[in-house]
Amino acid sequence: QKEVEQNSGPLSVPEGAIASLNCTYSDRVSQSFFWYRQYSGKSPELIMSIYSNGDKEDGRFTAQLNKASQYVSLLIRDSQPSDSATYLCAVGVSSGSARQLTFGSGTQLTVLP
Amino acid sequence: DTGVSQDPRHKITKRGQNVTFRCDPISEHNRLYWYRQTLGQGPEFLTYFQNEAQLEKSRLLSDRFSAERPKGSFSTLEIQRTEQGDSAMYLCASSFLAGGRGEQYFGPGTRLTVT
Repeated sequence: QKEVEQNSGPLSVPEGAIASLNCTYSDRVSQSFFWYRQYSGKSPELIMSIYSNGDKEDGRFTAQLNKASQYVSLLIRDSQPSDSATYLCAVGVSSGSARQLTFGSGTQLTVLP
Repeated sequence: DTGVSQDPRHKITKRGQNVTFRCDPISEHNRLYWYRQTLGQGPEFLTYFQNEAQLEKSRLLSDRFSAERPKGSFSTLEIQRTEQGDSAMYLCASSFLAGGRGEQYFGPGTRLTVT
């Protein structure tokens, strides 16, 4: 079973709508959670990090974390065509001191003008 | 503020050849990571350095792969006797760990094609 699961896409939303991206993880001791945006042919770009239960807002982005449910989500308000990309959920697992990231397979988002 | 840089950006090689990639992290970052990403998948962890010490290697990293980070600055990833299955995007990331937190920032990647 994959350690980080993301809701299968592709996901299409109209411009101006709220896009909701979901992610679940299996390792209960995970402590750090990240959302990356990846445009086609480019490398991942960090857009949000969250470490505590609850919501964290940054501009049009809100990350939500529920450790009891092992669930993290990303909301994008007022979606723009430029938000069209693959969104990767990453979980920081502690293995020794590495804190390497385990990624989901990504959700492809298309924002329709 | 310069970000993580990687060189080359693209590499095409024939099966059986050796290739070497370079990564220059963000200057104040003490941790450096290598990941590999194939089409339709998220990046997979390969190995990690804290300063010049290689502290962890994934079991994905076969004996044909070796990484170094001399003097705790730039890092190199070498693949010997390349195979077609090595074709992927090789990503380098760096971070500065403080208070148990350390966001990882990725470079542009090196896309390897093995023919």
